[in-house]
Amino acid sequence: GENVEQHPSTLSVQEGDSAVIKCTYSDSASNYFPWYKQELGKGPQLIIDIRSNVGEKKDQRIAVTLNKTAKHFSLHITETQPEDSAVYFCAASDNNNDMRFGAGTRLTVKP
Amino acid sequence: NAGVTQTPKFQVLKTGQSMTLQCAQDMNHEYMSWYRQDPGMGLRLIHYSVGAGITDQGEVPNGYNVSRSTTEDFPLRLLSAAPSQTSVYFCASTGQGADGYTFGSGTRLTVV
Repeated sequence: GENVEQHPSTLSVQEGDSAVIKCTYSDSASNYFPWYKQELGKGPQLIIDIRSNVGEKKDQRIAVTLNKTAKHFSLHITETQPEDSAVYFCAASDNNNDMRFGAGTRLTVKP
Repeated sequence: NAGVTQTPKFQVLKTGQSMTLQCAQDMNHEYMSWYRQDPGMGLRLIHYSVGAGITDQGEVPNGYNVSRSTTEDFPLRLLSAAPSQTSVYFCASTGQGADGYTFGSGTRLTVV
């Protein structure tokens, strides 16, 4: 089955700086790559996703890039704010129902 | 619009007891899944379903059963609870035209 690796496990940045989280996947059949944000005591929430026919997608301060040849994708958050502090998960699937997640990155944005 | 509803929010079980974690969604989603979340291990897929009457195993299915008699409900049964099943359990659903999975708020289970 699919194996997703995520780095780093923790990330601390100053408010206003950028944050980058990287993931790699193993199954070349995977074609859907979402990113989730999880705040304390809550379930993960989708923040952005990308499909394999697209190389980059942006939504305000967040962007995701995908390199299918190298089997890696990244989350970029610009102009970070304290409310961006959370755990972020990447995921990959080939059919949207058997979705595998990375181990998560705890992002801390210092005011 | 309730989304995905999980009950209970917290549960303490003794080793060997059985219980059912409830999950219901009101979005008419075909796909539903159960994940467990453990520190440093992210979300691991237990079982999933692509529609009523159809279920399949994920990464860590042992010790759990599921059924999908209706589109709305996807209960997870622990047959004989073990301390290794102490975890936070999340139910999620998605469907045609939906953006990714919608997660419930989780059930924190402790087995003593």
